[in-house]
Amino acid sequence: EAAVTQSPRNKVTVTGGNVTLSCRQTNSHNYMYWYRQDTGHGLRLIHYSYGAGNLQIGDVPDGYKATRTTQEDFFLLLELASPSQTSLYFCASSDNRGGTQYFGPGTRLLVL
Amino acid sequence: GQQVQQSPASLVLQEGENAELQCNFSTSLNSMQWFYQRPGGSLVSLFYNPSGTKHSGRLTSTTVIKERRSSLHISSSQTTDSGTYLCALERPTEGADRLTFGKGTQLIIQP
Repeated sequence: EAAVTQSPRNKVTVTGGNVTLSCRQTNSHNYMYWYRQDTGHGLRLIHYSYGAGNLQIGDVPDGYKATRTTQEDFFLLLELASPSQTSLYFCASSDNRGGTQYFGPGTRLLVL
Repeated sequence: GQQVQQSPASLVLQEGENAELQCNFSTSLNSMQWFYQRPGGSLVSLFYNPSGTKHSGRLTSTTVIKERRSSLHISSSQTTDSGTYLCALERPTEGADRLTFGKGTQLIIQP
């Protein structure tokens, strides 16, 4: 099974803080995704990438930047965190354009 | 409107009973994926099902594109099946297929 890891697993910051969430996959997948999960909304796509240096905008991109530095690593950046970004964040990867997505364990972010 | 609707929102059953979870969608799709979310939050892929019926142990997924629905059947439920089940519609877009998730069905299996 695909291995996707995320760090940190939990993070607390204050309003206006700078946060970077990290994701690494070790299965040579081309596609990587960042989602957020909130009660009443389910999982929503923030940004995704289909290769190193590539970035695509998802469904809820406002307030987030992302960077894909290598095939393995995908980062989500919150440069001015707000309480509305308190959420559970998931990273995922997939091998092909279509196909099963494998999810990391999630990062719980609390913005005070 | 919401592209993916799951029902029921919650379901409480006794151990040994069968569970039927539904997912209806209102847009075109490449495939439907079903996930299990553990109480701790981690997601496990159950099925990737573009059409027809697939089986995995006590689980069965059926996707009928013409009727715009997909279902997940759990037979002889066990307490360890408790958790949240999510369906996700894979929709075709330029570059990479994107998933649109339903809000989930919370399943509680009582001993």
